[in-house]
Amino acid sequence: GQQLNQSPQSMFIQEGEDVSMNCTSSSIFNTWLWYKQDPGEGPVLLIALYKAGELTSNGRLTAQFGITRKDSFLNISASIPSDVGIYFCAGILTGGGNKLTFGTGTQLKVEL
Amino acid sequence: EAGVTQFPSHSVIEKGQTVTLRCDPISGHDNLYWYRRVMGKEIKFLLHFVKESKQDESGMPNNRFLAERTGGTYSTLKVQPAELEDSGVYFCASSYGQKGKSPLHFGNGTRLTVT
Repeated sequence: GQQLNQSPQSMFIQEGEDVSMNCTSSSIFNTWLWYKQDPGEGPVLLIALYKAGELTSNGRLTAQFGITRKDSFLNISASIPSDVGIYFCAGILTGGGNKLTFGTGTQLKVEL
Repeated sequence: EAGVTQFPSHSVIEKGQTVTLRCDPISGHDNLYWYRRVMGKEIKFLLHFVKESKQDESGMPNNRFLAERTGGTYSTLKVQPAELEDSGVYFCASSYGQKGKSPLHFGNGTRLTVT
């Protein structure tokens, strides 16, 4: 099946630092999504990207849809303790309806 | 608005037993999805309902898994008989529209442990 390679697998950073994570694929996606999962909860949508080259911000979060449509990155600026969690990228293939293909997740830990 | 509700939140069963997971989507959402995350791996698609019909069940692992959505409201996912590799977190999600721009709302998941 389709595979999204997400990196890094985990990050341990200091409060206030900026964070960057990305996803790449050999397949072309027409939608890229970034989710965050807190412990004991389901994934919550952070940012949705629908066009190649699109750059979208949501507060301290910024994400971009790669020009080749095969990759996306998520940046978090000035991290705070509540940013802790697992971040997942997800993509929708052309003709895939709403079926999501997820990355393996990036575990983010923030040190005070 | 109530979110997607899943029950139970945790289930521990022995290999060979049967377990039924339930999902109540957001009211009015025709689309209902089941996903699963096995420990440390990606969240994988299992199947998609549109109302009571199975739109896509290409992700169902094998015939030990049976999903239903009678009446197009809540859905159940039954695993019978359960195997060790079925352990993981089962997520349900729902959405309103039929196109990619209708966001999926996820439930908190059911953590299934098969011993």
